[in-house]
Amino acid sequence: DARVTQTPRDKVTEMGQEVTMRCQPILGHNTVFWYRQTMMQGLELLAYFRNRAPLDDSGMPKDRFSAEMPDATLATLKIQPSEPRDSAVYFCASGLGEREETQYFGPGTRLLVL
Amino acid sequence: AQSVAQPEDQVNVAEGNPLTVKCTYSVSGNPYLFWYVQYPNRGLQFLLKYITGDNLVKGSYGFEAEFNKSQTSFHLKKPSALVSDSALYFCAVFPGADKLIFGTGTRLQVFP
Repeated sequence: DARVTQTPRDKVTEMGQEVTMRCQPILGHNTVFWYRQTMMQGLELLAYFRNRAPLDDSGMPKDRFSAEMPDATLATLKIQPSEPRDSAVYFCASGLGEREETQYFGPGTRLLVL
Repeated sequence: AQSVAQPEDQVNVAEGNPLTVKCTYSVSGNPYLFWYVQYPNRGLQFLLKYITGDNLVKGSYGFEAEFNKSQTSFHLKKPSALVSDSALYFCAVFPGADKLIFGTGTRLQVFP
């Protein structure tokens, strides 16, 4: 049963600290998406990659957020420095991109910045 | 502008009754349409999608959705609701160019 995995599942940190979230897409999927979910804003697309190349990161605060795909099996989302307003659930999703539009979501990382 | 609307923040239904969760969209052309479900503390889970063909699409867990091009709607339905169907439901549209556009979500509450 292929799944998207995310680590950590929960993260509590203090304001100003660096936070790194990791995602392992489904093997063979070439498109990876990062979303953020909050009660106020709902589901927001932060960035996405195709074949490891960033295609759109317009939804991401550039000054503190960065997203990378060091290899095809790992995507990372970093926040440095973190702020209380970054508290949210961060989801990774993967898909086959142009061949198939369905996205498959991971379980999320619940981030709390104190 | 391309958008998806879910006009109801919450839908309440008694177990055993039929349910409908509404979705309308504003996208040019012939978009692909999706429904996802999110259970507490979980990621979004794909339920069903419409690409072309029969306007009634069947998906997981007994759900189905009806595509209506003239009304630009894609309502989610189930003939008989279960308490375990209680969750957050998202409608999404794929207008092309990679990204899904999600609605704001509708919370479905099924009462015993």
